Amino acid sequence: EDQVTQSPEALRLQEGESSSLNCSYTVSGLRGLFWYRQDPGKGPEFLFTLYSAGEEKEKERLKATLTKKESFLHITAPKPEDSATYLCAVQAPGGNTGKLIFGQGTTLQVKP
Amino acid sequence: DSGVTQTPKHLITATGQRVTLRCSPRSGDLSVYWYQQSLDQGLQFLIQYYNGEERAKGNILERFSAQQFPDLHSELNLSSLELGDSALYFCASSVGVGVGTSRSPLHFGNGTRLTVT
Repeated sequence: EDQVTQSPEALRLQEGESSSLNCSYTVSGLRGLFWYRQDPGKGPEFLFTLYSAGEEKEKERLKATLTKKESFLHITAPKPEDSATYLCAVQAPGGNTGKLIFGQGTTLQVKP
Repeated sequence: DSGVTQTPKHLITATGQRVTLRCSPRSGDLSVYWYQQSLDQGLQFLIQYYNGEERAKGNILERFSAQQFPDLHSELNLSSLELGDSALYFCASSVGVGVGTSRSPLHFGNGTRLTVT
């Protein structure tokens, strides 16, 4: 069964304490892995797309990497404003559509 | 601001009723998607329209229906509402028909929070 699993479910960091979030996936023929950030009461905000193993993308304190089985979102020296739920998703197999399979998310809290 | 507009922001209604959720996609985007987010299920894909035509369907209930109009805005109709339909309903849009070959990610609106009492 195609699925996306994120770990940990929740993560508490001190400001400046770097860490990584994990997204493991089982899907036949990956055609895109997506990271989103979601703040309470808001819609998911697009962060990155990764298409092939070995690919890396960076944006400010965030860096996403991709292997054949999983993706990592590395957060370097986080700030309190990085607190949010981070969602990982993959494009569902079976045709060129925008149907994404989402993980349950990792809720990150960064304390000053 | 993603550029995707959803109305209303909040909706409270009773069981058995029917509601309509509305979505305006980002300028230039031809695909519109509807997702449901509940605490126990996470974000679940409901349906996709591309340039007015249904493109993909998820586990959308028969009581739910959607359409995309010539001006590309979309509506999600939920009928015979049950308590379990209470959730956040998100609309998203993208330029292309899919996120893979067109390499155009989905951009989400801020959702409609539906409460069924």
